[in-house]
Amino acid sequence: QVHLVQSGAEVKKPGASVRVSCKVSGYAITELSMHWVRQAPGKGLEWMGGFDPEDDETIFAQKFQGRVTMTEDTSTDTAYMELKSLKSDDTAVYYCATPAPGTWYFDYWGHGTLVTVSS
Amino acid sequence: DIQLTQSPSFMSASVGDRVTITCRASQGINSYLAWYQQKPGKAPKLLIYAASSLESGVPSRFSGSGSGTEYTLTISSLQPEDFATYYCQQVDSYPRGTFGQGTRLENK
Repeated sequence: QVHLVQSGAEVKKPGASVRVSCKVSGYAITELSMHWVRQAPGKGLEWMGGFDPEDDETIFAQKFQGRVTMTEDTSTDTAYMELKSLKSDDTAVYYCATPAPGTWYFDYWGHGTLVTVSS
Repeated sequence: DIQLTQSPSFMSASVGDRVTITCRASQGINSYLAWYQQKPGKAPKLLIYAASSLESGVPSRFSGSGSGTEYTLTISSLQPEDFATYYCQQVDSYPRGTFGQGTRLENK
């Protein structure tokens, strides 16, 4: 069983960056393919990016290219998502999510981290 | 990029009703489709994967079907705990995992 625990809520000013963490337990992070999904207030789910184990690289949705990085610290089994040049419409709950090993569907989700961008 | 369109976006139903939600893809996705349920303030929960396979622990009143570009989620007899928002997701272009816009199911 995979358990994902995310970092706490953040408030940032426009133009700043935010880094959200996702601590994995139950599996080594190297056995998983971590993804990040966000949800603006009252809106739907938006896939931001995720790890492709076949090509050993992280793929991003076009709208976030150049503005988001997704990294992992294998020594602490923690994934990170950093979003730069924040705008007010980046205000959202950010989720980490991962399929069970060997699958493609998001069985496991973090509890979400609210990022508020406001001047 | 593959786009998913759910219909309806909103529906009102009563306990005991049979409910069907549709998800249409902009191109064929080879049944690489999942359905999630999300309740307010909570993370989504996987219900159905590979278009028609029931996730462990999910009640059998939930079922999925479809192929090609059109897929459906059916709740055979709506229960009070089923009022939520439902999302489809394609993973045919994994790791890209596009979601539909959601269907909000409310109590009539």
